[in-house]
Amino acid sequence: AQKITQTQPGMFVQEKEAVTLDCTYDTSDQSYGLFWYKQPSSGEMIFLIYQGSYDEQNATEGRYSLNFQKARKSANLVISASQLGDSAMYFCAMRHTGGGNKLTFGTGTQLKVEL
Amino acid sequence: EAGVAQSPRYKIIEKRQSVAFWCNPISGHATLYWYQQILGQGPKLLIQFQNNGVVDDSQLPKDRFSAERLKGVDSTLKIQPAKLEDSAVYLCASSLKAGGTHSEAETQYFGPGTRLLVL
Repeated sequence: AQKITQTQPGMFVQEKEAVTLDCTYDTSDQSYGLFWYKQPSSGEMIFLIYQGSYDEQNATEGRYSLNFQKARKSANLVISASQLGDSAMYFCAMRHTGGGNKLTFGTGTQLKVEL
Repeated sequence: EAGVAQSPRYKIIEKRQSVAFWCNPISGHATLYWYQQILGQGPKLLIQFQNNGVVDDSQLPKDRFSAERLKGVDSTLKIQPAKLEDSAVYLCASSLKAGGTHSEAETQYFGPGTRLLVL
């Protein structure tokens, strides 16, 4: 069974600094997809970045990059130049391959950006 | 491009009452999902539709939850009767497709959610 583990319940970072949010996963599938979502206090899940298991390069989207280490089964999110608006809950998720498009989510990391 | 729309945003009911949530996906998205997010947890898939057919409802408590997507566009999720443990945020998401390959076309985009409190 697929499983996502986020071991950091809460993180603090200074404004303009970079921060890494950890995510490890467990799957026996050869082909899978990994996603990061941001959830502000308003509740909406905002898609940030996607990494396919066969992608040779780490995904990047603006200030977000995904540090994908396949052998270690980790998919850490790196946010560069943190802004106050980055304060939110961050979820790592994995797409199942066994039919459909089901996502399994981790428990999330609450990020707080400080002045 | 308009995002996923959900209503209502908030709902408070007493246990054993019924409640319904509505979702309108992004235009052109064939696949629609309902997730339940209990406080302090990540979302859990309840049901997935491909057009108007059910792809996965393995985690839907069918004795009290039902969902439909009759015309393959918008969808309703109903709980009848509600229990205290149903208090959660109900998130609707949609994706362009849900094929067997991993690509950004399978990326799920979420609505703002409905916060349900059962007293």
